[in-house]
Amino acid sequence: EAGVTQFPSHSVIEKGQTVTLRCDPISGHDNLYWYRRVMGKEIKFLLHFVKESKQDESGMPNNRFLAERTGGTYSTLKVQPAELEDSGVYFCASSQDVGFTDTQYFGPGTRLTVL
Amino acid sequence: RKEVEQDPGPFNVPEGATVAFNCTYSNSASQSFFWYRQDCRKEPKLLMSVYSSGNEDGRFTAQLNRASQYISLLIRDSKLSDSATYLCVVNGYGKLIFGTGTRLQVFP
Repeated sequence: EAGVTQFPSHSVIEKGQTVTLRCDPISGHDNLYWYRRVMGKEIKFLLHFVKESKQDESGMPNNRFLAERTGGTYSTLKVQPAELEDSGVYFCASSQDVGFTDTQYFGPGTRLTVL
Repeated sequence: RKEVEQDPGPFNVPEGATVAFNCTYSNSASQSFFWYRQDCRKEPKLLMSVYSSGNEDGRFTAQLNRASQYISLLIRDSKLSDSATYLCVVNGYGKLIFGTGTRLQVFP
């Protein structure tokens, strides 16, 4: 069974440009999460989709970030315009259910560098 | 105060040693806890789940003390391949709340 995949693996852009990250969850997983790790800090939650609906977007830093999950399959996270502090590793995770015991499986991440 | 706190280490131990990591969490209502392992420049991977007082899987033992809001991970007979960062994670009603991780380096 394929795991969570993310594209691209690396992205280097200049401040002010736009970048779109993509995540394909494990097939059949209704729950999709975005997390981010900035250098020297812990991994932090950004948002949670259940199918195509945003369940919790409390971690989104500001309105320069837009996440979508049309059709309830893959998700995109767009940063527009990118700022220097957006640099970090963006992880996507998916899970079958939302419960205290349910496991979230992580993708390999997209390393974003904003110059 | 951070929601999940860990000693960042690094812990440098010889092969065969026993090493323990500790973690404290701030939300007393938290229900489930995890230890994830993260290798350099890789994604976090689930190592163990901790729901009741503890859990054991081979050389790894995780324990939970709800009264003290404390979780631990014990690794016995350390292997070179155990070198990684160990992330203490609390389930915050769907979203995961991570500690900064404890780095372990096992040397020959």
